[in-house]
Amino acid sequence: EDQVTQSPEALRLQEGESSSLNCSYTVSGLRGLFWYRQDPGKGPEFLFTLYSAGEEKEKERLKATLTKKESFLHITAPKPEDSATYLCAVQAQGSARQLTFGSGTQLTVLP
Amino acid sequence: EAGVAQSPRYKIIEKRQSVAFWCNPISGHATLYWYQQILGQGPKLLIQFQNNGVVDDSQLPKDRFSAERLKGVDSTLKIQPAKLEDSAVYLCASSLRWQGPYEQYFGPGTRLTVT
Repeated sequence: EDQVTQSPEALRLQEGESSSLNCSYTVSGLRGLFWYRQDPGKGPEFLFTLYSAGEEKEKERLKATLTKKESFLHITAPKPEDSATYLCAVQAQGSARQLTFGSGTQLTVLP
Repeated sequence: EAGVAQSPRYKIIEKRQSVAFWCNPISGHATLYWYQQILGQGPKLLIQFQNNGVVDDSQLPKDRFSAERLKGVDSTLKIQPAKLEDSAVYLCASSLRWQGPYEQYFGPGTRLTVT
């Protein structure tokens, strides 16, 4: 059974204080790993897809990296508008195409 | 480009009543998904459609939940009868195709409260 564990559950940062969120996964052959951002009362917003170990992707202050067992979402010099819940999901090889999500990291950036 | 549309945004019902949710995916997206998100958890897939055919409904509680996607566009998810544990946000998502890994785009969700 595919599993995704995200840590920490919650993170409070001062504006400008860089940090990383962790997503550990077990899957029977990874087809893709996805990062989403979810604001309160809204649906998840797509950020990145990573396909293979060693791959990195960047968008503004966010950078996602992937190894064979985990992914990191690095946040550089965050701003209050980066406050949200960040969700990680995996899609396995084979006939099943569903995404298995972690429970998310709730990030709060204080001004 | 218009996003995924869902209605209603909020619904409050009593247990044992029925409820229906509607979803209109992004134009041209062949694959449509319904997820259940309980507070503090990540979304859990209920059912996946490719055009108007079901690809995966292994996690759909079929004794009370049903879903259809007529004409391969809009979709409706129904719960009958509702239980207290069905209180959650119901998210609809769509993607270009189901052969992966294609990113899924989510609607705003419907928050269901069962009292």
